[in-house]
Amino acid sequence: RKEVEQDPGPFNVPEGATVAFNCTYSNSASQSFFWYRQDCRKEPKLLMSVYSSGNEDGRFTAQLNRASQYISLLIRDSKLSDSATYLCVATTRVDSSYKLIFGSGTRLLVRP
Amino acid sequence: DTAVSQTPKYLVTQMGNDKSIKCEQNLGHDTMYWYKQDSKKFLKIMFSYNNKELIINETVPNRFSPKSPDKAHLNLHINSLELGDSAVYFCASSQVAGAPSTDTQYFGPGTRLTVL
Repeated sequence: RKEVEQDPGPFNVPEGATVAFNCTYSNSASQSFFWYRQDCRKEPKLLMSVYSSGNEDGRFTAQLNRASQYISLLIRDSKLSDSATYLCVATTRVDSSYKLIFGSGTRLLVRP
Repeated sequence: DTAVSQTPKYLVTQMGNDKSIKCEQNLGHDTMYWYKQDSKKFLKIMFSYNNKELIINETVPNRFSPKSPDKAHLNLHINSLELGDSAVYFCASSQVAGAPSTDTQYFGPGTRLTVL
């Protein structure tokens, strides 16, 4: 079983739509969670951290449910520029350090 | 100025060859990483160095050897390249190694390696 699982999509939505991505993680000891965005043939970039209380950054809302080991990302009022792959990330401690465990990504296509 | 840079951007080579990829960060970070993203788009950590010291070494063939001459540089040398090594290799850096909740990893633009 993959440590972080995501629906690969693609999600094909019109501009202005609301779209939600889900992600599950298998390691209950994971402490921190993030959403990264990766454009085609580019490097991943941090979109936002995910907190248990839920957090919002403009049109983006992230939520964490530790009991269900479930993470979500909601994008409201989709823009063409939101088209990208969204990577769900959990951290695992390694001695005094940590490593990022990436999901395989969910692809979003926003059409005019 | 590019924060995390890698060279070369593209690398096409024959099986059995030895090649190196270089990475430099000008963010003053203490920790650097190498990741591999395969054709299925899975991004997996390979190595992590903190202040030139190896702290994470995933199950990676011995043919892969990272080298950190100083904390701003982390190079990756690959011996006897195989077809399965074809992938995009990303370098990344972060300020601290042990505080994921407050730390951000910055990725380089990637090196697309094709082994023929």
